[in-house]
Amino acid sequence: DGGITQSPKYLFRKEGQNVTLSCEQNLNHDAMYWYRQDPGQGLRLIYYSQIVNDFQKGDIAEGYSVSREKKESFPLTVTSAQKNPTAFYLCASSIGSGETILFRANVLTFGAGSRLTVL
Amino acid sequence: RKEVEQDPGPFNVPEGATVAFNCTYSNSASQSFFWYRQDCRKEPKLLMSVYSSGNEDGRFTAQLNRASQYISLLIRDSKLSDSATYLCVVKGIYNQGGKLIFGQGTELSVKP
Repeated sequence: DGGITQSPKYLFRKEGQNVTLSCEQNLNHDAMYWYRQDPGQGLRLIYYSQIVNDFQKGDIAEGYSVSREKKESFPLTVTSAQKNPTAFYLCASSIGSGETILFRANVLTFGAGSRLTVL
Repeated sequence: RKEVEQDPGPFNVPEGATVAFNCTYSNSASQSFFWYRQDCRKEPKLLMSVYSSGNEDGRFTAQLNRASQYISLLIRDSKLSDSATYLCVVKGIYNQGGKLIFGQGTELSVKP
């Protein structure tokens, strides 16, 4: 079955460490996204990529980095520069880029999430 | 004003009740609208897209009011399994990169 796999599901990090969250999809989707969710809040966009080897900053990119070397993969690194990294991180993908207004192209499929806790 | 704002919740209703959620959006040029459902500590999943003419899927009805810039979700005959957080999602306009903007969510708890 096609889907998005995120790993690890739970991660504990000491302050000052960088960590990388994995996101792999086999849906053949062009666009991939990283969101952060804090308790009682909606999802906030960290980075997104509409095509391989290209990505753009979202609303809260500071302290994060990404790469998109393969269509299937969009890893997120949470660097030590991120001041409040403890959160639920969600990776998502969609068929097409965000520019089209077609409903189907904008439907997001999410991975199960990675819960990061900084000790 | 937030770009997408939802009823604050939580909504606590008995089984069988009808419940409605509202979501307002600030940009009148927004084109696409969605409702997602998120269970506790899980990922969001698409519940339904919202079409201009309104649409229904079983017990769920979504409406769009462009003049007042809000969308609504009506759930009839609530089930215990409907308990979740419902997220309103609006597609931004072109100069926002067409990004999807999430509301903060409205929590629903259906009681026996």
